[in-house]
Amino acid sequence: QKEVEQNSGPLSVPEGAIASLNCTYSDRGSQSFFWYRQYSGKSPELIMFIYSNGDKEDGRFTAQLNKASQYVSLLIRDSQPSDSATYLCAVILTTSGTYKYIFGTGTRLKVLA
Amino acid sequence: AAGVIQSPRHLIKEKRETATLKCYPIPRHDTVYWYQQGPGQDPQFLISFYEKMQSDKGSIPDRFSAQQFSDYHSELNMSSLELGDSALYFCASSLGEDQPQHFGDGTRLSIL
Repeated sequence: QKEVEQNSGPLSVPEGAIASLNCTYSDRGSQSFFWYRQYSGKSPELIMFIYSNGDKEDGRFTAQLNKASQYVSLLIRDSQPSDSATYLCAVILTTSGTYKYIFGTGTRLKVLA
Repeated sequence: AAGVIQSPRHLIKEKRETATLKCYPIPRHDTVYWYQQGPGQDPQFLISFYEKMQSDKGSIPDRFSAQQFSDYHSELNMSSLELGDSALYFCASSLGEDQPQHFGDGTRLSIL
């Protein structure tokens, strides 16, 4: 089992819809969770981070964390064609006092105009 | 706000040559990470430094080496370049190993 798993997609949603991106992780002790957006040929851009169970909202983005079920999700409301990109989930794993920043393989989102 | 600065932005080399990529982290960030991303692939972690010491090592070839200097900037040295080294190389920095990483714009390395 991979440490951080994402569906590679592509996930296609119509413009104006809610896009839901999911990520599961294997280390129950993980404490920090991040979402990045990456446009083709560009660098990953941090868009959300969440540390506590529940929802965290920032504009059209909502991150949801459920530590009991070991998943973190990203909701994008009112999706726009400019949201079309690859979304990378990242988790910090802690092992014996050391930190490892693990990325998922990303989900490609297509927002259809 | 200041971001992570990488140089050069583009680099063209021939096989068996050497290359040096530079990364200047966000001010006060003490942790630097290097990633390699081939076309259509997710970023592959190469190596990281925390407070000028190597903190973790990923899939970095033996032909590559890196270090973090006293001013916290980092350099990735690549020798005996191969065609397969053509990729985007990203540097990221964070304020500690348990904090979010922020990425630079990357260096596009092309090997002819």
